[in-house]
Amino acid sequence: GQSLEQPSEVTAVEGAIVQINCTYQTSGFYGLSWYQQHDGGAPTFLSYNALDGLEETGRFSSFLSRSDSYGYLLLQELQMKDSASYFCAANDYKLSFGAGTTVTVRA
Amino acid sequence: EAQVTQNPRYLITVTGKKLTVTCSQNMNHEYMSWYRQDPGLGLRQIYYSMNVEVTDKGDVPEGYKVSRKEKRNFPLILESPSPNQTSLYFCASSKDRGQETQYFGPGTRLLVL
Repeated sequence: GQSLEQPSEVTAVEGAIVQINCTYQTSGFYGLSWYQQHDGGAPTFLSYNALDGLEETGRFSSFLSRSDSYGYLLLQELQMKDSASYFCAANDYKLSFGAGTTVTVRA
Repeated sequence: EAQVTQNPRYLITVTGKKLTVTCSQNMNHEYMSWYRQDPGLGLRQIYYSMNVEVTDKGDVPEGYKVSRKEKRNFPLILESPSPNQTSLYFCASSKDRGQETQYFGPGTRLLVL
């Protein structure tokens, strides 16, 4: 089986930088994905790391260290619309999600 | 438009009354799956399918059935719903099982009384 741990809540102000950490324990592992979800809407894909290192997609970056079973999502230049839940997910023959981190952006 | 559709979006039913939630994708994806989402628990996979006629259990399959007779459709069946199956359900698809990007449907809110 797989288990993923991430913080439950993070609060920051507009323009700030937020880092959401994710540690995982898996029996098999292809890579780590990140998804964003607004208020019970459909999760949408943000980023994926199959190899160690940093992947950058606009204001969002994601990092993976396979040796540490650790990854993070970095949200830069926070905007109000970034208030949402963020999930890390471990890719194996199936996809296992963490419980999610609620990010609240304040003016 | 590439999309995953689910129906119904909202459903209130009673214990024991069989129901089916439909899921369809128009992207010719091989991999499809069902998740349930409950507060504080994130998304938990119920069943997944790697191709037509190939299905397997996820983390929480008890009380659910699926079928994959066509590539585009992957219905979720609750033969005898119980109140603990009250949840938000998502269908998702991806190009293949190793594909990092899963496309999610809009969700189905189910209340079992």
